Amino acid sequence: DGGITQSPKYLFRKEGQNVTLSCEQNLNHDAMYWYRQDPGQGLRLIYYSQIVNDFQKGDIAEGYSVSREKKESFPLTVTSAQKNPTAFYLCASWTLNTEAFFGQGTRLTVV
Amino acid sequence: AQTVTQSQPEMSVQEAETVTLSCTYDTSESDYYLFWYKQPPSRQMILVIRQEAYKQQNATENRFSVNFQKAAKSFSLKISDSQLGDAAMYFCAYNTYNAGGTSYGKLTFGQGTILTVHP
Repeated sequence: DGGITQSPKYLFRKEGQNVTLSCEQNLNHDAMYWYRQDPGQGLRLIYYSQIVNDFQKGDIAEGYSVSREKKESFPLTVTSAQKNPTAFYLCASWTLNTEAFFGQGTRLTVV
Repeated sequence: AQTVTQSQPEMSVQEAETVTLSCTYDTSESDYYLFWYKQPPSRQMILVIRQEAYKQQNATENRFSVNFQKAAKSFSLKISDSQLGDAAMYFCAYNTYNAGGTSYGKLTFGQGTILTVHP
């Protein structure tokens, strides 16, 4: 079945540590997105990529980094510069004339 | 920049009754998409309904329908015959129809409305 797979489902980060969240899709979609969701709030865009080897900052990119070396993969790294990383992270993909497809999310907690 | 506002943090409805969730948005674009997404406790985002701005006819999907008022920039969701499984957080979202442009696929979300369904 086609879809988006995020891993891990739960992730714990120590202070000063970088962690990477995985996002893989087999939908052959060109564009991929990372959103952050805080309790009781909507989703905010972190980074997005419309084609391989190209990506743009979203509204809250500080403290995050991404890469897009393959069409299927769009990993997100939460760096130590992100001072409040505890949140729920959602990856999505999109192609023309369709809706966004979302992964099941990763819950990141700082310990 | 586009903004999406959901003014109802929480709503409740009795099973089998009808409920309407409100959404307003601000944009200077003429062509765009509007969406309602459902996020149940599993946190999986599920598309409920989609509306293209150029279409005057309101979208419907089974028990779900929208009231799209382009001039008023309003996009409400009506859920008829509410079921226990409808209980979730509902998000209104906006996307510019700009194929190949820089805003391609970028969704702007409202703050969400938590819907509780009472048996």
